[in-house]
Amino acid sequence: DQQVKQNSPSLSVQEGRISILNCDYTNSMFDYFLWYKKYPAEGPTFLISISSIKDKNEDGRFTVFLNKSAKHLSLHIVPSQPGDSAVYFCAASAYGGSQGNLIFGKGTKLSVKP
Amino acid sequence: DTAVSQTPKYLVTQMGNDKSIKCEQNLGHDTMYWYKQDSKKFLKIMFSYNNKELIINETVPNRFSPKSPDKAHLNLHINSLELGDSAVYFCASSGDRAAGNTIYFGEGSWLTVV
Repeated sequence: DQQVKQNSPSLSVQEGRISILNCDYTNSMFDYFLWYKKYPAEGPTFLISISSIKDKNEDGRFTVFLNKSAKHLSLHIVPSQPGDSAVYFCAASAYGGSQGNLIFGKGTKLSVKP
Repeated sequence: DTAVSQTPKYLVTQMGNDKSIKCEQNLGHDTMYWYKQDSKKFLKIMFSYNNKELIINETVPNRFSPKSPDKAHLNLHINSLELGDSAVYFCASSGDRAAGNTIYFGEGSWLTVV
């Protein structure tokens, strides 16, 4: 039973364009969401997060949007750069993330072509 | 200076052996975790310790035993290894359990059981 779903296993984007990675969740108790980036043979690296009291959070080229009614969030990267090529994991947590039990999606592999 | 470090990074061992993976964090965090990424790429929590005390123990065989000698260390001992234990194991840590804490991951330990 996947509570966090990333339905696109891969995404290919041209350098300079926008990358949009999507994530859906089923558990209405989730109230804290994070995106992690992972390079091969390395651990996931925290990218950006959003609390359910917000619908948007921005950090430089990265913006996360949350649509609670649709139980959907997305990560926008603009402009995309070749160094952004990695696997992106969406993660969700209940209780504001205080218990640390993150539920991860399966990841989306982003390839940014020069 | 790695924030969350785990050793070994690669481990190949035979079925039935007992092995340990060590983890240390120098972030001053109170909470440490072990996550497992299986062959299907799902990243799932196994254990969580807060100030040396076990707070999350997901459905994991009792052949897996975490040990936390102090709050900066959380080691994972695995007894009687089985083929299905082959996976990538990630250690992680996070700060105080206020809402919105971020989990920081180590680089992972690739365990192969043959």
